[in-house]
Amino acid sequence: AQSVTQLDSQVPVFEEAPVELRCNYSSSVSVYLFWYVQYPNQGLQLLLKYLSGSTLVKGINGFEAEFNKSQTSFHLRKPSVHISDTAEYFCAVRNRGSTLGRLYFGRGTQLTVWP
Amino acid sequence: NAGVTQTPKFQVLKTGQSMTLQCAQDMNHEYMSWYRQDPGMGLRLIHYSVGAGITDQGEVPNGYNVSRSTTEDFPLRLLSAAPSQTSVYFCASSSSGPRAYEQYFGPGTRLTVT
Repeated sequence: AQSVTQLDSQVPVFEEAPVELRCNYSSSVSVYLFWYVQYPNQGLQLLLKYLSGSTLVKGINGFEAEFNKSQTSFHLRKPSVHISDTAEYFCAVRNRGSTLGRLYFGRGTQLTVWP
Repeated sequence: NAGVTQTPKFQVLKTGQSMTLQCAQDMNHEYMSWYRQDPGMGLRLIHYSVGAGITDQGEVPNGYNVSRSTTEDFPLRLLSAAPSQTSVYFCASSSSGPRAYEQYFGPGTRLTVT
């Protein structure tokens, strides 16, 4: 079974500051890793994904994440945030060996960027 | 290409009423699923389908029914609405091919049960 823990439920930051949203996972099998973003009153959209290869992956809107297998982590980072980055962010995993698309989500981190 | 569409966007029900949340996708995706989103709980899987005629339960299936008669549509039925079903419901789809890892989400249906 898989589980995902997002360590912070809320992260407030000022505009142009760096931010890190933390995600740890637990799984008995190899997984794919994802970050999704949900802007207010909208559905989820894929921010970035780790499938294989380089452990540093870049996504949309200047976000990047690093896969750390030994620490079973997949933290999301941005060096300088904008007001428009205010949203809820979800970390998710999928069983690498499954042909199903089933995702297991963390509980989400609300990022609020203040001017 | 409309992607994943959901109707209605908002709905208010009285306890005991039934209704169907509609979900459709035009990407010929085999896999479709329903999630509910509650504050502080993330997204929890209700039911999913791997193709027409094949459905299965997720984490929180009680009180919900699904069917999949076509590849495109995956409706979610609330049999007898309860206040505990007040939530935002998301439908998602993905292919089973090389890009099976990427799920596409609809805009959501906000349901209130009084």
